[in-house]
Amino acid sequence: ETGVTQTPRHLVMGMTNKKSLKCEQHLGHNAMYWYKQSAKKPLELMFVYSLEERVENNSVPSRFSPECPNSSHLFLHLHTLQPEDSALYLCASSQDLPNSYNEQFFGPGTRLTVL
Amino acid sequence: KNQVEQSPQSLIILEGKNCTLQCNYTVSPFSNLRWYKQDTGRGPVSLTIMTFSENTKSNGRYTATLDADTKQSSLHITASQLSDSASYICVVSRGSQGNLIFGKGTKLSVKP
Repeated sequence: ETGVTQTPRHLVMGMTNKKSLKCEQHLGHNAMYWYKQSAKKPLELMFVYSLEERVENNSVPSRFSPECPNSSHLFLHLHTLQPEDSALYLCASSQDLPNSYNEQFFGPGTRLTVL
Repeated sequence: KNQVEQSPQSLIILEGKNCTLQCNYTVSPFSNLRWYKQDTGRGPVSLTIMTFSENTKSNGRYTATLDADTKQSSLHITASQLSDSASYICVVSRGSQGNLIFGKGTKLSVKP
């Protein structure tokens, strides 16, 4: 276990549904991340939070809405998704924002299927 | 363009054999290079992190090399085990802010 947990592990939703992904880290880290991993593509960084403030948003559609209520929890709220949004969504945390020596610890991911 | 290319895309080897995975990058400015192992249905787990001045770093049966001049890295797995079956992802950290550039990964299958 890496100290980063994600729920649910699997999610199937229709295009009109609203759902949320949850991430929790037990490592005392200050930075948290959402990544999208699609088949045969590199991991894509979606959002970065540092000390509960969003510091990076990589041109992610507004149907994805992140929330970081405290440094241990990160949510990704989903609404009116498209089938092409089906992917593995990974949460990660690191002591601080990435630099030469900050290692990122990943959660197990949520496998999302949009019908 | 900042890119990380990995080869081969997939690899099948017999248990007990060695193998080497390749990573070429065009990321600039370079900060560090990381290798991750990702089991099916799991998140990536860090194997090694190497900075500009490090040529080799080992983690058990995994040995990573870095040639910063040619912008190439390799991951060598010795005496492979069935549990080594996974995707191996090369990641290059760019600049002082450490933006991570991910490769697509090499999928390794170790057969008995």
